[in-house]
Amino acid sequence: GNSVTQMEGPVTLSEEAFLTINCTYTATGYPSLFWYVQYPGEGLQLLLKATKADDKGSNKGFEATYRKETTSFHLEKGSVQVSDSAVYFCALSPYNFNKFYFGSGTKLNV
Amino acid sequence: DVKVTQSSRYLVKRTGEKVFLECVQDMDHENMFWYRQDPGLGLRLIYFSYDVKMKEKGDIPEGYSVSREKKERFSLILESASTNQTSMYLCASREGFRNTEAFFGQGTRLTVV
Repeated sequence: GNSVTQMEGPVTLSEEAFLTINCTYTATGYPSLFWYVQYPGEGLQLLLKATKADDKGSNKGFEATYRKETTSFHLEKGSVQVSDSAVYFCALSPYNFNKFYFGSGTKLNV
Repeated sequence: DVKVTQSSRYLVKRTGEKVFLECVQDMDHENMFWYRQDPGLGLRLIYFSYDVKMKEKGDIPEGYSVSREKKERFSLILESASTNQTSMYLCASREGFRNTEAFFGQGTRLTVV
């Protein structure tokens, strides 16, 4: 089946610290992978995506690499800011099925 | 930019009322989705639609129905609201389904009293 597992939060970091939020997935075939961010009281916004193995998605200083061998898509940022405080969701969409599978979300406090 | 607009940010309804949540997208996307988001449970899919008048049940359709009479509009209906339907409801749209992302509305926080 299809599923996404991401690290439990909350994650609390000082400003300018390095961020890693782990995400691993189970999927049949070759899914697309996404990171979404949700600010308090808002909907989800796409942060970055990768559609095939070894692709690196990047946006606003955040990066994630699609690792098929380890079925992972970890989110990283070199230097977090207070404005990065939000909930981050990892998600996958199977290649041949119109559905998204979301992780449970990781709250980041900076 | 794609815009997905939900008709209300906050709603308070009484138990037993029929509730309509409206969602409109402006990018001619075929696919539209309704999710509910609850603490500790993440996002759960209620229904989705891949074309006008077409719908598919998601993971938690009980107590809900949907309507898609026009491509840009997808409505979620709570036939008889109950307190356990108090939640944040998120609408999303998507172009095609291979390698494309979903675009979300700002959410409707529904409280049933």
